Amino acid sequence: KNEVEQSPQNLTAQEGEFITINCSYSVGISALHWLQQHPGGGIVSLFMLSSGKKKHGRLIATINIQEKHSSLHITASHPRDSAVYICAALNFGNEKLTFGTGTRLTIIP
Amino acid sequence: EPEVTQTPSHQVTQMGQEVILRCVPISNHLYFYWYRQILGQKVEFLVSFYNNEISEKSEIFDDQFSVERPDGSNFTLKIRSTKLEDSAMYFCASRAGTGRSEQYFGPGTRLTVT
Repeated sequence: KNEVEQSPQNLTAQEGEFITINCSYSVGISALHWLQQHPGGGIVSLFMLSSGKKKHGRLIATINIQEKHSSLHITASHPRDSAVYICAALNFGNEKLTFGTGTRLTIIP
Repeated sequence: EPEVTQTPSHQVTQMGQEVILRCVPISNHLYFYWYRQILGQKVEFLVSFYNNEISEKSEIFDDQFSVERPDGSNFTLKIRSTKLEDSAMYFCASRAGTGRSEQYFGPGTRLTVT
């Protein structure tokens, strides 16, 4: 069973700051998702990655397969980035996503 | 941009009643999923569905639950004899199925069992 842990659980930062959210997992995976959940509850997929690094606008996701660790970075953070960020691991050979507990990010203007 | 839709957005039901949650996945997608998130807790996998049959299910997905793709566009989750602890947000997701493709999530249905 894969254990997916995120840190920090809560993060408050000033607008413009560089944000890093971490995710670690216990068992090797085929891919990792980063998701964003807004206060209304809806989930948006940000990235799916299995190696290296992906960038989309101000968001960057990296993964280190050997260390079983992934990070989500937000550059030039903005209040509209305030949300819960969730990582979810896809195990080899099956369709189950195992979710982390999420990181609640609040960006203060 | 194509999106996964879910109806209703909020369903209130009495304990013991049956509910059907509906999802319309993205049209050319082949894999479909249901997830549950109890308030304040992690999102949990319930079931995956491919080629008109369940491909995987979690321990949560017992005989109380069933899924169906009745007409080639809708994907439904039926919960029989609802219990208070079934109150949660239920998310549908779909993916294209070409290699390791990304899952796209619907906006969720909030189920409240009273």
